[in-house]
Amino acid sequence: DIQLTQSPSFLAASVGDRVTITCRARQDISSYLAWYQQKPGKAPKLLIYSTSSLQSGVPSRFSGTKSGTEFTLTINGLQPEDFATYYCQQLSSYPPVTFGGGTKVEIK
Amino acid sequence: EVQLVESGGGLVQPGGSLRLSCAASGFTFSSFSMNWVRQAPGKGLQWVSYISGRSTSKYYADSVEGRFTISRDNAMNSLYLQMNSLRDEDTAVYYCVRDWCSDTNCRFDSWGQGTLVTVSS
Repeated sequence: DIQLTQSPSFLAASVGDRVTITCRARQDISSYLAWYQQKPGKAPKLLIYSTSSLQSGVPSRFSGTKSGTEFTLTINGLQPEDFATYYCQQLSSYPPVTFGGGTKVEIK
Repeated sequence: EVQLVESGGGLVQPGGSLRLSCAASGFTFSSFSMNWVRQAPGKGLQWVSYISGRSTSKYYADSVEGRFTISRDNAMNSLYLQMNSLRDEDTAVYYCVRDWCSDTNCRFDSWGQGTLVTVSS
């Protein structure tokens, strides 16, 4: 299985901050990477697919980029509703898929 | 509106069996591949199983291969997961998930609310 290393596992930020979360793949996965947001007690929600495509209805403050096998989720201007846990997912080998370990974004 | 509603979770003893169901609505169910993804308490997401639209392809995570069986009934718009020989480590919330693929680009675009399976004596 293709491993994903997500960092940091936890970060504290303030409303209005710019937040970046990184996901590194152990091997080339092309652009087959997605990002999900999960709030406590809720199902994950798709934010970004194919590295940088914004899912319908997702605010434009969310964006995704890639450099080699390193992928980044950026939130420009963190909002109160953005405090959640974020997961990356690779679909290069789908099926199966693998997820990163998650990044919990909390209020500073 | 796409809706996925899981059911069938509960408390089961180690070595026992359970069958999860997922009722789908709001889309042409047979046109989409489906997955089960689970999340142990306080842990991350783990893909469990995949089934193609017409059930011609099925895949399983190594950790459940030989114990779990995925199936679907397109006439009933339903997805199933038969879980046998359950272990403590199978304790998790199980999500029914639809994939959306355009060309070779896929994503898990719709998730159910999840059903909790607890394996304990």
